Amino acid sequence: ILNVEQSPQSLHVQEGDSTNFTCSFPSSNFYALHWYRWETAKSPEALFVMTLNGDEKKKGRISATLNTKEGYSYLYIKGSQPEDSATYLCAWISGTYKYIFGTGTRLKVLA
Amino acid sequence: NAGVTQTPKFQVLKTGQSMTLQCAQDMNHEYMSWYRQDPGMGLRLIHYSVGAGITDQGEVPNGYNVSRSTTEDFPLRLLSAAPSQTSVYFCASNGLAGGLHEQYFGPGTRLTVT
Repeated sequence: ILNVEQSPQSLHVQEGDSTNFTCSFPSSNFYALHWYRWETAKSPEALFVMTLNGDEKKKGRISATLNTKEGYSYLYIKGSQPEDSATYLCAWISGTYKYIFGTGTRLKVLA
Repeated sequence: NAGVTQTPKFQVLKTGQSMTLQCAQDMNHEYMSWYRQDPGMGLRLIHYSVGAGITDQGEVPNGYNVSRSTTEDFPLRLLSAAPSQTSVYFCASNGLAGGLHEQYFGPGTRLTVT
């Protein structure tokens, strides 16, 4: 059974803090890893598409790294703001284009 | 450019009824997929398609059928609804040329089966 795990499940941080989350995935049959931001009552929005070992992507204060050999990816948020509060999802995609999602990390940024 | 659209937004069915959830995209994306979202389970892939005429099963395909007769449309059929199919259903699409691109999600359909 293929499993994608995200940790922590949830966390609260103060405004201005930097934080990071982990996505662990199978290292075999890897095609790509996607990160999403999901606000309550909305649809998930794509953050990053990552395919190569060692990939680093950045969008504003959010960045991500990828290690396909050991099967993990980190998402970093620098200087968290209340508007960063959301659930952050990762999805592992196999060579046959099947998506397996993690259950997400729920982030709450306190003002 | 409407992106990914889904209808209906809400639906209540009785056990044993059948229905079709509609999904359409206007971005000429090759890849389309259906997910269900259940509390504590995250998003789980039901079926997906890499192009017109090609479909494949995801993680939880039982009780659902799909077809892809055009690039734009990817309907999901519930053959005989069961209470276990109460969920929020999301359709999504990606470009595929040169590698899988970022995925765009529709607004979701909330289905209740009584």
